Amino acid sequence: AQTVTQSQPEMSVQEAETVTLSCTYDTSESDYYLFWYKQPPSRQMILVIRQEAYKQQNATENRFSVNFQKAAKSFSLKISDSQLGDAAMYFCASTTYNFNKFYFGSGTKLNVKP
Amino acid sequence: GAGVSQSPSNKVTEKGKDVELRCDPISGHTALYWYRQRLGQGLEFLIYFQGNSAPDKSGLPSDRFSAERTGESVSTLTIQRTQQEDSAVYLCASSPGQGRHEQYFGPGTRLTVT
Repeated sequence: AQTVTQSQPEMSVQEAETVTLSCTYDTSESDYYLFWYKQPPSRQMILVIRQEAYKQQNATENRFSVNFQKAAKSFSLKISDSQLGDAAMYFCASTTYNFNKFYFGSGTKLNVKP
Repeated sequence: GAGVSQSPSNKVTEKGKDVELRCDPISGHTALYWYRQRLGQGLEFLIYFQGNSAPDKSGLPSDRFSAERTGESVSTLTIQRTQQEDSAVYLCASSPGQGRHEQYFGPGTRLTVT
């Protein structure tokens, strides 16, 4: 089994600033995948970014990037130029090569201040 | 195109009653997942369907929970003899398969057991 830990229940950032959300995971698998999902108040989960464990290069998607530290089993999400629409719950998740089961962290609530 | 849809969006039921939740995945998606999200918590994996393979039921919390899926179409999650601890949002996600594993989530069904 895998475990995913998000140690920051809530964070705040000023609009246009940068914020980093933390995530650590534990797995005995050698082939796995990591994700960040966003859940706004509408409840609709939206994929923000994904990282394949076998890739050394950190994934980026526009203002979103990750810092993947495989040895430390750390997978943090950096949001640059924060916007009011970024306010949401953010969940870190992991899965193995066969994608049969996803493990989610408990989430970080991100507040964006105007 | 149409996304994942779930019905009903909200369900209030009395303790001891059976409930059936429905998920319509994106057409052509071979994989389908059910999750439970208790208030303020992350997603808890329940069950996974992949094509015509036997489902992975390892996340179902008790024998009161069951799920069906006909081929690669609609899925139903049934909870028998509901208990108050079953109160949660139940989320469904589908995934294309064939090497593409990003999940597309529905808006969820909020179940309240009184």
